[in-house]
Amino acid sequence: DIQMTQSPSSLSASVGDRVIITCRASQSISSNLNWYQEKPGKAPKLLIHAASSLESGVPSRFSGSRSGTDFTLTINSLQPEDFATYYCQQSYTDFAFGPGTKVDIK
Amino acid sequence: QVQLVQSGAEVKKPGASVKISCKASGYTFTTYYIHWVRQAPGQGLEWMGIINPSGGTTTYAQKFQGRITMTRDTSTSTVYMELSSLRLEDTAVYSCARDRVTTVANPDALDIWGRGTMVTVSS
Repeated sequence: DIQMTQSPSSLSASVGDRVIITCRASQSISSNLNWYQEKPGKAPKLLIHAASSLESGVPSRFSGSRSGTDFTLTINSLQPEDFATYYCQQSYTDFAFGPGTKVDIK
Repeated sequence: QVQLVQSGAEVKKPGASVKISCKASGYTFTTYYIHWVRQAPGQGLEWMGIINPSGGTTTYAQKFQGRITMTRDTSTSTVYMELSSLRLEDTAVYSCARDRVTTVANPDALDIWGRGTMVTVSS
């Protein structure tokens, strides 16, 4: 099975900060990597698919990139509504999620 | 609008089975894959499996093989997920989600989600 890891597991940031979350696959998954945002009591929201394709309606401060088996989600100028938990997910073999990164207020 | 409406909360005893429904509306049911995902209290998201509503073909996460069955009823645009031999650790919110691509392509990502069904396993 392909294992997905995320770092950090949590972080504290301030409004306006640039936040970078990393996801690493245990083997090549090409660009078959998605990013989701989850807020308490709400369904997860798809932000990015195929490593770097922004979903319609998602603010442009969110971006995704790939370097080999390492993937990053970048949030430029963090906004109050961005405090949430973020999950990566590979869609290369099955659809396993990473363990998540909680972004909270510093 | 596209909607996935799930059945209500369930309470089950260990060893029992649970069957959850997910009724789709607002699009042609057979043209999009449906996934099932669960989230235990305070834990992360766990992908369980996928069904192609067109032909009914399924793929399950290895962890659930032998305990999970996904089916669909095209006459009611409903997908079902049954989990058997329930354990205390199966207590979770179970959600269905539609894939973002149609069934003519390989499944890709989950873009429309149901509101989740709480399943509590307790003796």
